[in-house]
Amino acid sequence: ELKVEQNPLFLSMQEGKNYTIYCNYSTTSDRLYWYRQDPGKSLESLFVLLSNGAVKQEGRLMASLDTKARLSTLHITAAVHDLSATYFCAVVLNSGGSNYKLTFGKGTLLTVNP
Amino acid sequence: NAGVMQNPRHLVRRRGQEARLRCSPMKGHSHVYWYRQLPEEGLKFMVYLQKENIIDESGMPKERFSAEFPKEGPSILRIQQVVRGDSAAYFCASSGTGIGYGYTFGSGTRLTVV
Repeated sequence: ELKVEQNPLFLSMQEGKNYTIYCNYSTTSDRLYWYRQDPGKSLESLFVLLSNGAVKQEGRLMASLDTKARLSTLHITAAVHDLSATYFCAVVLNSGGSNYKLTFGKGTLLTVNP
Repeated sequence: NAGVMQNPRHLVRRRGQEARLRCSPMKGHSHVYWYRQLPEEGLKFMVYLQKENIIDESGMPKERFSAEFPKEGPSILRIQQVVRGDSAAYFCASSGTGIGYGYTFGSGTRLTVV
C-alpha cells in the first residue's frame, strides 16, 4: 500500500523567510502533484512532477522530485502572507493498474505571519 | 471554459436521509474521480468512473454508497441512510487521458449530517 508522509504538518513562518516542505512516499512512483487548498475551498493544482530530477518553479514556490529517494520538496522563498494555505502532495502508484489513483499526504498548514 | 462543477456546495441531511452529490466534469474530460476529505485529513480516493462504467470503486464503503456516471448528465455520488460519520467534504475531479495529465478538482460538496 502506498503511503505518503508530509512534514511538517504545521508551519508558522515570518514574512520574508524561506522554508521547505517535505513529501516522502513509500513505493515507486514517477508522478507527483502539489496542490494548494484555502479554507473551505477546492484544491488548486500547483505542480506536476513527472520524472526524476524534475524541478518546477512558479513565483515564490519551487518543487522538485527525487524518485530514487522517493522524496519531493516544496520550497518557499521569501514568504508572503498570501501563501498562507494548506499544501498537499499527492502521488500516483505507477504499477498494478492503479496509475490514476492519487494518494494524498495529510497536508501542511502554512501560516505566514507579518 | 467552465471547470469541474459540483453541486450543491453545502448539503445538510438528517440521519437516515439520502444525500445526492453531483459532478459535471470539465469539457473534454471523460474520467471522473470522487474523493472524500475528513476534517484535518488529506483526501481519500473513493471511486473512478468513465461514462457508464465504474472502473475502480475500491475506496467506497461497502454499504450505503454508490456512484454512477451516465451517458448523459453529471456523475452522481449517492449516500443512503446517512450517518454522522459521513459528514465530510466530497470532491470530484476530472481528467483527460495520457501520461502527465492533470486532475482538475471541483469546489466540493460539504455534507453535514445532523
